[in-house]
This record gives sequence, structure tokens and C-alpha cells, in this order.
Amino acid sequence: EIVMTQSPATLSVSPGERATLSCRASNSVNSNLAWYQQKPGQAPRLLIYDASTRATGIPARFSGSGSGTEFTLTINSLQSEDSAVYYCLQYNNWPPLTFGGGTKVEIK
Amino acid sequence: QVHLEVSGGGVVQPGKSLRLSCVGSGFSLSDYGFHWVRQAPGKGLEWVAITSFDGTNEYYADSVEGRFTISRDNSKNTLFLHMNSLSADDTAVYYCATESSHQWAIPDYWGPGTLVTVSS
Repeated sequence: EIVMTQSPATLSVSPGERATLSCRASNSVNSNLAWYQQKPGQAPRLLIYDASTRATGIPARFSGSGSGTEFTLTINSLQSEDSAVYYCLQYNNWPPLTFGGGTKVEIK
Repeated sequence: QVHLEVSGGGVVQPGKSLRLSCVGSGFSLSDYGFHWVRQAPGKGLEWVAITSFDGTNEYYADSVEGRFTISRDNSKNTLFLHMNSLSADDTAVYYCATESSHQWAIPDYWGPGTLVTVSS
């Protein structure tokens, strides 16, 4: 089973600044990685797949990068509505599909 | 517009069974594969199961293998998750999600979840 580790657990960022979230895989997942956003009380929403492709309707301020075992989600010009928990998911070696533990982004 | 509605959650005693329903609207459920994903209270996401659009391929997490099964009623545009031998570890909000048009392994659109509480 591929173990996904996200860091930091919590990130506090001022509006308009950049947030950088990390996700590490225990073994290479190539570019088979997705990112999700989950706001309190809501279902997750797909942001990024194939490590760097934005899903339909996702603003350009969200970008993903990386391959192999190291991945990054960058949120540029952070807005108050971006306050949420972000999860990475690997779909290279499955079953099982495995999620990271999440990074909570707080707005200062 | 794609919409999913999950129902069937509630409080159930350990060892008992429960069936969750995921009703689709705005699309034909038979054209899509689906995932079930759960989230224990205050915890992260855990993938539970996947079924292909035609039901010929199904995979389950080890934690539910042999206890949970997926079925469909395409005439009612409904997907089911049958859960048996429930334990406290199964307490969670359960979500259904469509497969991605890009790759079926990617959960794409998620409906609001339903809370299952296993407690005596």
C-alpha cells in the first residue's frame, strides 16, 4: 500500500499571499496524483489530477506540480474562500486508493 | 447538471447491517463508475470501494472486504452500498462519487454524505 504524507498539518496564510502544500508518497506514483479541497460540512471537490491538470471550473490560482514521490499544491493570491482542508490522493498503485492526512489552510 | 444524493445513514448496533443509497439525477448512473469514500468524525478521507460503470470490476479496501458490497438499480438511477457486520470503526460520513471521465480511478463529483454511527 502506498502511504501518502502531507505537510504541514496546518498552514496559516494572509490574504493575497501564496500557500504551498506538500504531499509525499512512500513509493513512486509517477504523475498519478490528485488534489481535493474540502470545506467544513461539505463534500470534497476535485481540484487537480495527473499532478498538474486543473479540473473543470477550478481557478487558475490553484496549481499542482511534482512527479514520483514529491508533489506540491500551490495556491496563489489566497482568498478567504480558500480556507479549507486539502487532501492528496494517489491512483498509481491501487487498490487501495490512498489519501494523505490533509493540510488545513487557515486565513490569517 | 449532475447531482448525487446519499441516504440511509443512521445509528446501527454493532454486528448489524445497513444499506446506503446514492441516487443520481441529471445523468444516467449506468454510464458511470462510482466510488464510496468515508470520513470518520474529525478525521481524513478513506477510500472504501469502486465499481465500474457496468459492474464487471469492483474493488474494496481491506478494511471492508467481505463485509461491504456494491450493487445498482439502474432503473432507479441508484447505487447501493450494503454494509454487514458493522463495528465502531465503520462510524463515518459516507460519500459516493462519480468516476472521472479522465480515469475511473479518480473520484470526480461527490455528493453530500450520510452519517453512519455504529453504537450500542
